[in-house]
Amino acid sequence: AQKITQTQPGMFVQEKEAVTLDCTYDTSDQSYGLFWYKQPSSGEMIFLIYQGSYDEQNATEGRYSLNFQKARKSANLVISASQLGDSAMYFCAQGGATNKLIFGTGTLLAVQP
Amino acid sequence: ETGVTQTPRHLVMGMTNKKSLKCEQHLGHNAMYWYKQSAKKPLELMFVYNFKEQTENNSVPSRFSPECPNSSHLFLHLHTLQPEDSALYLCASSQDGDTLLPYNEQFFGPGTRLTVL
Repeated sequence: AQKITQTQPGMFVQEKEAVTLDCTYDTSDQSYGLFWYKQPSSGEMIFLIYQGSYDEQNATEGRYSLNFQKARKSANLVISASQLGDSAMYFCAQGGATNKLIFGTGTLLAVQP
Repeated sequence: ETGVTQTPRHLVMGMTNKKSLKCEQHLGHNAMYWYKQSAKKPLELMFVYNFKEQTENNSVPSRFSPECPNSSHLFLHLHTLQPEDSALYLCASSQDGDTLLPYNEQFFGPGTRLTVL
């Protein structure tokens, strides 16, 4: 069965520093995608970044980058130059042959001034 | 309005009540989703509609009844709920519900915080 594991229930980072949020996945699909979402206290899930399983380069979107290691089945999110507004829950998700997403339990990130 | 909207934002109901959650997307998408988010648990997919047809029912109890009258609107009808059904219910939409395309990401609404007494 597909499974997403986020081993860090909570993380602290100083403002302006970089932080890595871990995500490992388990799937038997040949083609799949990995997503990261941000959920502020308001509840809305905000799409951050996407990585396709056949993409040779790591995805980047502004201050967000995805460290994709296919052999290790990991898709860690790197946030550079953290800002106070980055404080939120972060969810890793995986989609396979259909757009049915499997989510991890999330990591709560707190950015300290 | 833009994006995905959900009403109400908060709902408190008794176990014998009947209520409905509403979701509307203004993105021209063809697929809509209901998710349940309970405390300390991963987001759980409940239902998927693609071009108004239900394509996924993730073993959801019959006390939850979805309705999709058109590609822009999705409802979740609730009746005789249990206290363990208290959760954040999130609606999402995407361009397509059948295939995983690059950047076929799901756009989420703000959710309805449901409390069942």
